[in-house]
Amino acid sequence: LAKTTQPISMDSYEGQEVNITCSHNNIATNDYITWYQQFPSQGPRFIIQGYKTKVTNEVASLFIPADRKSSTLSLPRVSLSDTAVYYCLVGDIPSSRGNSGGYQKVTFGTGTKLQVIP
Amino acid sequence: NAGVTQTPKFRVLKTGQSMTLLCAQDMNHEYMYWYRQDPGMGLRLIHYSVGEGTTAKGEVPDGYNVSRLKKQNFLLGLESAAPSQTSVYFCASSPHGLDEQYFGPGTRLTVT
Repeated sequence: LAKTTQPISMDSYEGQEVNITCSHNNIATNDYITWYQQFPSQGPRFIIQGYKTKVTNEVASLFIPADRKSSTLSLPRVSLSDTAVYYCLVGDIPSSRGNSGGYQKVTFGTGTKLQVIP
Repeated sequence: NAGVTQTPKFRVLKTGQSMTLLCAQDMNHEYMYWYRQDPGMGLRLIHYSVGEGTTAKGEVPDGYNVSRLKKQNFLLGLESAAPSQTSVYFCASSPHGLDEQYFGPGTRLTVT
C-alpha cells in the first residue's frame, strides 16, 4: 500500500514558483497521482492528476519521474489566494461493480500547508 | 447545478446514539465516496460506491454503514456513535474511479 510523505509546511513570497514534492515509494502499477487543494472549512478541490512524465493544466504542472516513487506539484507565480493545504493522493479504485468484500486504501498524504507571504 | 451537498452541516451526538449523513450529487456521477478528516490529518476513505446499489469498504470502515439506493444519493450511517468518530466527514463523487473528485462542504460531527 502506497504511503505518501510530504513536507509539513512551506512559505513562499507572492509571484514565486512553488514546488511541493510527495514521496510514494510503494506506489502500485495501477495507481494514479492526484493533487488537491484545501482551504479551511472547505472540501478539497482537484488541481491535477497524472500517471507518469509531465502533466500541465491552466493552474499547475505535475512532474513524475520514471520510477514514479515521487511527484512534484509546481505552482507558477503564487498569489495570496494560493495559501492552503495541498494533498497528494495515490491510489486506485477498481471499476468493477459490486461489493468485493475487500477494501481499497486511498492514501492522502498528511498535506503541505503553503503560506504565501506578501 | 449544486454539485455535491451534504446534510447536516453540524451535529452533536451522545455516545451510543445513531444518525445518518446524507450526500447528494446532481452531476450523474457513478462513483461516490465518504471520507473522514481528523485534526491535522489527511482524509481517510471510509466507504465508497462504484454505482447505484453497490458499496465497498475503504480504509476505515468499522463503525459505519452505507447505502446507495439511488444514483444521486450516498448515505453514511453510524449505528452507535463513539467519541472516536468525532471528525469532519466529507462526501465526494467522480465520473470514473479516482478521476477528479468533487467534494461536498463537509459535516462536522461531535460525539460526547
